[in-house]
Amino acid sequence: GEDVEQSLFLSVREGDSSVINCTYTDSSSTYLYWYKQEPGAGLQLLTYIFSNMDMKQDQRLTVLLNKKDKHLSLRIADTQTGDSAIYFCAESRNGGSQGNLIFGKGTKLSVKP
Amino acid sequence: DAGVIQSPRHEVTEMGQEVTLRCKPISGHDYLFWYRQTMMRGLELLIYFNNNVPIDDSGMPEDRFSAKMPNASFSTLKIQPSEPRDSAVYFCASSSSGGVNEQYFGPGTRLTVT
Repeated sequence: GEDVEQSLFLSVREGDSSVINCTYTDSSSTYLYWYKQEPGAGLQLLTYIFSNMDMKQDQRLTVLLNKKDKHLSLRIADTQTGDSAIYFCAESRNGGSQGNLIFGKGTKLSVKP
Repeated sequence: DAGVIQSPRHEVTEMGQEVTLRCKPISGHDYLFWYRQTMMRGLELLIYFNNNVPIDDSGMPEDRFSAKMPNASFSTLKIQPSEPRDSAVYFCASSSSGGVNEQYFGPGTRLTVT
């Protein structure tokens, strides 16, 4: 399909790991991104991965990229209540050239104490 | 830098009125984007500019919507006449050529049309 797809909701308990999944469409995307939106705020870049990598780790965050399946995931270790937010997957189309990013609809992560 | 600045933060207007949303991008950024976010449709790209020139306006819903970027530090999104279905949060974002193409989002304008 044409859309970046991700599940809409995820609920986890504090201290557990969260895994948010995404499928994208453009195999030529140079970068793939995870953005975070906290309530009442705009989106903020959380992390990104270059398309020639299959994994990137940044403190509690792990991004996995499967180019064959066009699948991107974000794992948050030791999830905290402050991680409650909407997480957007995004790809850069047009071969990764500057400009437009295509966003998924976002996954709302709820963390229960 | 203050980040992307949007005004107003909240706007309540009656159906049929003209609404103008404003955005000041981050200084030095050459791309500017307008998005609309609703529960039903998620985040939609309306239009984006490069060096003040509109590049893709295919996301603009209809002729009631127009956007301008008269200079590198200012852009407007206008809705005339407004309708209740235009109620949404409108985000402006900016980015810079080169690098990882990170878009920086403003805090958004929450528009309610009654």
